[in-house]
Amino acid sequence: DAGVIQSPRHEVTEMGQEVTLRCKPISGHNSLFWYRQTMMRGLELLIYFNNNVPIDDSGMPEDRFSAKMPNASFSTLKIQPSEPRDSAVYFCASSLRRDGTEAFFGQGTRLTVV
Amino acid sequence: GEDVEQSLFLSVREGDSSVINCTYTDSSSTYLYWYKQEPGAGLQLLTYIFSNMDMKQDQRLTVLLNKKDKHLSLRIADTQTGDSAIYFCAESPRGGYQKVTFGTGTKLQVIP
Repeated sequence: DAGVIQSPRHEVTEMGQEVTLRCKPISGHNSLFWYRQTMMRGLELLIYFNNNVPIDDSGMPEDRFSAKMPNASFSTLKIQPSEPRDSAVYFCASSLRRDGTEAFFGQGTRLTVV
Repeated sequence: GEDVEQSLFLSVREGDSSVINCTYTDSSSTYLYWYKQEPGAGLQLLTYIFSNMDMKQDQRLTVLLNKKDKHLSLRIADTQTGDSAIYFCAESPRGGYQKVTFGTGTKLQVIP
């Protein structure tokens, strides 16, 4: 298996633009997580899906952020409009188990909003 | 809220043992994890331990848990330059990975 695949690897966008990050989880994994990593705040869980259903989105910072999982093999994280403070590395992770004890991370998308 | 603390930096010589320490505050922590992050990469799960265990060994890695002191450590025997990375400690309550809390990470530098 190719592991968790995220795209793009790098994204540079202007403030106010819409940004869409994509994730393909490992086949057969039914839990999917979106994380954000910054120097200041470390790793933060944004949202968690189980069987394509959002279970906990309490980590989503504001209404500008939204996430979808239309099927078991694809998820998106959208920021609209983007702001410079959204600059971070965004990771997607997937797990076979609902409790996520063995979550596998993608390589991340480095987002820079200028 | 829950808090996981780690020292920021550790430097060791190649061939020596490395010990990375972590303390946590959540007494309901059931799963405790160690992740490795190499530059430009995502987090790689190295190992995890249940809170009812004191020790877990996997090849060069030894995890020790002192539940009374809420202290977790990761020992890497015969440290190699390829072990240079950031190591994250994390904890989650039973059945609640979505509530996992990560430490700030310890950057391990291995000197040849």
